[in-house]
Amino acid sequence: ELKVEQNPLFLSMQEGKNYTIYCNYSTTSDRLYWYRQDPGKSLESLFVLLSNGAVKQEGRLMASLDTKARLSTLHITAAVHDLSATYFCAVESGGYNKLIFGAGTRLAVHP
Amino acid sequence: DTEVTQTPKHLVMGMTNKKSLKCEQHMGHRAMYWYKQKAKKPPELMFVYSYEKLSINESVPSRFSPECPNSSLLNLHLHALQPEDSALYLCASSQPGTVYEQYFGPGTRLTVT
Repeated sequence: ELKVEQNPLFLSMQEGKNYTIYCNYSTTSDRLYWYRQDPGKSLESLFVLLSNGAVKQEGRLMASLDTKARLSTLHITAAVHDLSATYFCAVESGGYNKLIFGAGTRLAVHP
Repeated sequence: DTEVTQTPKHLVMGMTNKKSLKCEQHMGHRAMYWYKQKAKKPPELMFVYSYEKLSINESVPSRFSPECPNSSLLNLHLHALQPEDSALYLCASSQPGTVYEQYFGPGTRLTVT
């Protein structure tokens, strides 16, 4: 059974600092997704990573995938308050695009 | 248009009521999903429809009954729910192919009293 672990689960960051969120998964998968969720809102797709070595960047966020290590990272550069949210990674398991989500990382960016 | 719509936004129902949640997408996607999300937890998959056929049922209790009348519409019929069923119910859709990116609707906040 596929397990997806994220860490840290909670991250309090100062504005302007850099940090990385880690997503480990237990069985082989070539597709990994990152989502953002604001409190009381739905999930917003951030990145789709489809192959080993994939790297994608959008603004202050950069995501990468290492399928051999079964690891994805979400790097935050020079954090700003607007990035405060919960970030989930999700890995495909089996057919029909079944997603297994990590527990989520609650990010709080403060001055 | 990458929009998935859900109605209602909020629903309060008693344990003896019957209600339905509705989800609609007009992106031509042929896979649709229901998720349940409790507070401070990740979404949990409930059902997957692919080409209007139920493809995955994650051992969901029968008090939840999904229906896919056509390729754009997905319903979730609710009957005799329990207070622990209170949660945010999210619908998503995707297009089978190389990139299975799922697009989520805004969700229905369900409270069972």
